[in-house]
Amino acid sequence: KQEVTQIPAALSVPEGENLVLNCSFTDSAIYNLQWFRQDPGKGLTSLLLIQSSQREQTSGRLNASLDKSSGRSTLYIAASQPGDSATYLCAADQAGTALIFGKGTTLSVSS
Amino acid sequence: DTAVSQTPKYLVTQMGNDKSIKCEQNLGHDTMYWYKQDSKKFLKIMFSYNNKELIINETVPNRFSPKSPDKAHLNLHINSLELGDSAVYFCASSRYQGYEQYFGPGTRLTVT
Repeated sequence: KQEVTQIPAALSVPEGENLVLNCSFTDSAIYNLQWFRQDPGKGLTSLLLIQSSQREQTSGRLNASLDKSSGRSTLYIAASQPGDSATYLCAADQAGTALIFGKGTTLSVSS
Repeated sequence: DTAVSQTPKYLVTQMGNDKSIKCEQNLGHDTMYWYKQDSKKFLKIMFSYNNKELIINETVPNRFSPKSPDKAHLNLHINSLELGDSAVYFCASSRYQGYEQYFGPGTRLTVT
């Protein structure tokens, strides 16, 4: 059964730092991997989706990588800003049917 | 022009009651989902529908019954509500199975 783990659970950084959020999954037979952002009391905002055949995706200051063989994905955030403060969720799409989520990394960026 | 909408946003009810949560997407997607986020913020799939047909039903009590009247709607009906049903319920949709999922704003259910 697929399990998704995110490390660290929480992260605090000063504004301007580059940072990496880690996600690992136990079953490499995934359809795709999706990164979301969740603000307190809000829904999920899709950030990036990496298909199983891809190695990485980029959107603005965000870059997500995928290494299926090692069961890992990373989300790189460049030049962090206070507005980046949120919980970041990683989710593996198993068999194209449903997302299996990690427990998230709560990011706090101080000005 | 909301993509995935849910009603109500908040729902407070007593144990034993029956309630429904509605979900609508205007993206023309074929696949819709219900997820539950518990008090520890952990998100877990409950149901998945593709073209109005159930394709996933995780180990959810049969007090929970999804209904898809058409491709744009997936409603969640809950019978005999229990305290443990208190959570935030998210609806999501994707163009097809395995495509990017878009989430609604969530419905916070509180059972007293």
